Amino acid sequence: EPEVTQTPSHQVTQMGQEVILRCVPISNHLYFYWYRQILGQKVEFLVSFYNNEISEKSEIFDDQFSVERPDGSNFTLKIRSTKLEDSAMYFCASRFLVPGGYTFGSGTRLTVV
Amino acid sequence: DAKTTQPNSMESNEEEPVHLPCNHSTISGTDYIHWYRQLPSQGPEYVIHGLTSNVNNRMASLAIAEDRKSSTLILHRATLRDAAVYYCILRDSDNYGQNFVFGPGTRLSVLP
Repeated sequence: EPEVTQTPSHQVTQMGQEVILRCVPISNHLYFYWYRQILGQKVEFLVSFYNNEISEKSEIFDDQFSVERPDGSNFTLKIRSTKLEDSAMYFCASRFLVPGGYTFGSGTRLTVV
Repeated sequence: DAKTTQPNSMESNEEEPVHLPCNHSTISGTDYIHWYRQLPSQGPEYVIHGLTSNVNNRMASLAIAEDRKSSTLILHRATLRDAAVYYCILRDSDNYGQNFVFGPGTRLSVLP
């Protein structure tokens, strides 16, 4: 069964550093998403991406965040200057068509120290 | 956004059926009902979705009330692996850009 692959599975970074979280969505999917989940809390939407541009973003997705699909296969989330409160699980997801289901990756655990 | 209401937690015995309820009294005509689950330390996993008719797949069944104001996810024989948080989410099929909004879900415990 096709999978969404996320790397790394765990990243530790110092506050103020830049991090890039990487995702390889399912190859024929058209819509891409990033979600995050702070430990013990709800899964929160960050951003959706379609046709090489952001289609929707939440209030969490401020100027410190950016997304890119640089080569037609990878989908990345960059955090420019990490803060302690950015520590969370970050999930990538992709979807083929409306109203189909999403396929989520297994996540990257980001720890900011 | 149309909202859903689920019990915070439920318990089931292994190999017994489980009925997970969801209320969505403000559902609109173009809202699909989606169910996802999240196993411990994993990303959310698609379970099933439907619009008006009951749906079955290899994982579960979805029973949708005639007025669509509620639905029930049915796990026919719970296993220990089914212990997870189950999310009932509405998504408007006419809104291509709409993302999923996850609530707190129902935490299902399965007892051996």
